This record gives sequence, C-alpha cells and structure tokens, in this order.
Amino acid sequence: AQTVTQSQPEMSVQEAETVTLSCTYDTSESDYYLFWYKQPPSRQMILVIRQEAYKQQNATENRFSVNFQKAAKSFSLKISDSQLGDAAMYFCAYGDSSYKLIFGSGTRLLVRP
Amino acid sequence: DSGVTQTPKHLITATGQRVTLRCSPRSGDLSVYWYQQSLDQGLQFLIQYYNGEERAKGNILERFSAQQFPDLHSELNLSSLELGDSALYFCASSPLPGQGANIQYFGAGTRLSVL
Repeated sequence: AQTVTQSQPEMSVQEAETVTLSCTYDTSESDYYLFWYKQPPSRQMILVIRQEAYKQQNATENRFSVNFQKAAKSFSLKISDSQLGDAAMYFCAYGDSSYKLIFGSGTRLLVRP
Repeated sequence: DSGVTQTPKHLITATGQRVTLRCSPRSGDLSVYWYQQSLDQGLQFLIQYYNGEERAKGNILERFSAQQFPDLHSELNLSSLELGDSALYFCASSPLPGQGANIQYFGAGTRLSVL
C-alpha cells in the first residue's frame, strides 16, 4: 500500500527567508503524481504545486518549488522569500491511477515577522 | 474560491442521528471525492464517484454512504452517528482525464460536531 510520511510536525521560518518541508513516500507504481496542499486557518485545502513522476524537471510555481528525487522517493517543498500569509499546515499527497489522494500527516509552518 | 461548493458549513447533531452533506463540483468536473479530516486519523479518502458511478472506495464505514446524481452533485450520508465521527468532511472534484486529471480542487468543507 502507498504511504506518505512527513517527519516534521512543525517548522518555523523568518519572514523573507527560505524554508524546506520534507516528504517521503512509498509506492510500487511507476506512474503517479505528487502534490503539496496548503491548509490555512480557514481550513480550505489549496493546491500549491504538482509534480508528475515521469517528469525529471522539478516543478516551480512562483516562490514555491519542489525537489523531486524519484529513486529516493523524496518530494520536498521549498518556499522562498517567506511571507506571513504562508503560515499554514502543509500536506504532501500522493495520487496514482486510482485518482484518490493519500495524504501525509502535515507540517505546520510558522512564519516569524 | 475553488469552485467546489459544500453545504452546510457547520453541522451540530446528536449521537445516533443521521445527516446529509452536499457537494456541488466545479463546472464540467465529472469526478467527486469525499475525504474525512479528523485529529486522530488525519486526512483520509472515503469514496470517489465518476459521472454517477462509484469508482473507488477507501476507509468508509458501513454507516456512511454516498451517491452522485445526474446533475453531478454528490451527497454523503452519515447515519447512527458516534462521537468519533466528529470531523471536517471535504469534497473535491477533478477534471476529465487528459485535462489536468489528478488535480483535485477542494471545497471549504463541512464541520460535523456530534454531541
């Protein structure tokens, strides 16, 4: 069965600095997708970034980028120039041909002004 | 705004009762997913529907059921409620395969409190 592990329950970053959130996963599938979702205090689940496993190039979305290491089954999220609005729970998620998403336990990101 | 609408936002009920949660997917999306977010279990996939048909099942209790109607809205029915069913219930929808499939857009959730 597929699993997703986020080993950092909480991370803290100074405003304008860079922070990296870690995620590892386990699967025997070769075709899959990986996601980072943000959940602010409003509880809304917001898609931050998506990576297709067949693509070697790491995905980027403005200040958000990923480091996808397929062999190591690692998928970390880097947030550059952190802003107060980045404070939230961040969930790593795995999806494959079944289309359901399997989520990690989440990392709470605190941003210090 | 993701375009996925969930009602009601909050629901307070008693043990043993039955409730219905409603979800309207984004315009044009045929797939609907239900997830449960609780403190002890985290975010868990419950069930998926595609164009009215059940497609995949996750850790959904037998007391829970869902359906997707011809207009593509979906309902999640929770019966014989227990205290442990208190959670945030999310609905998500996704586009057709080949059109950014596997991107799930989430509604704002329904917070269920069972007293």
